Amino acid sequence: DADVTQTPRNRITKTGKRIMLECSQTKGHDRMYWYRQDPGLGLRLIYYSFDVKDINKGEISDGYSVSRQAQAKFSLSLESAIPNQTALYFCATSDSSTSGNEQYFGPGTRLTVT
Amino acid sequence: TQLLEQSPQFLSIQEGENLTVYCNSSSVFSSLQWYRQEPGEGPVLLVTVVTGGEVKKLKRLTFQFGDARKDSSLHITAAQPGDTGLYLCAGRTGNQFYFGTGTSLTVIP
Repeated sequence: DADVTQTPRNRITKTGKRIMLECSQTKGHDRMYWYRQDPGLGLRLIYYSFDVKDINKGEISDGYSVSRQAQAKFSLSLESAIPNQTALYFCATSDSSTSGNEQYFGPGTRLTVT
Repeated sequence: TQLLEQSPQFLSIQEGENLTVYCNSSSVFSSLQWYRQEPGEGPVLLVTVVTGGEVKKLKRLTFQFGDARKDSSLHITAAQPGDTGLYLCAGRTGNQFYFGTGTSLTVIP
């Protein structure tokens, strides 16, 4: 079984709809992240959480919100989706007890907003 | 925004050739990571470099962190088709990682 799972893997939605992307991990890591990937722009950090009660904005948080329901679960919401939020979304985890802070990524969710 | 630029953006080479990918920034990073990503999957960590001037080798891959901790390079010796993928660098500042724009490598058998 994958250590970091994301649901759904693919989603097509219409402008203005609310959508939630979910991430679960079995690695026991305390830190979780949401990134989006666009061609030619690499990955950009949306939000990150270092613990259940800790939520931090990343580089591009406008239009997004997150919820850390448990140490193993971190969800990303688009309250009112718009076409320029069409992208590949990745969840990642890391363990604060390791010096390198290596991040482990999920398989991604491809979101299309029409 | 911490901008990390990678070059080249695309690279297509024959099996057995050597190549170098560059990751450059005007910002200083406390550490730098290299990832490889295959289609339909998330990035997978290859290496983390922490000290300026550090060189790490992973089989045919050699990673170097610049002395000023602003840039890095990835050198692949005798490339193989299995090396095909998107290579991403990521620099750490504080609690955040900033990813480069990526280098898409294709190794032709």
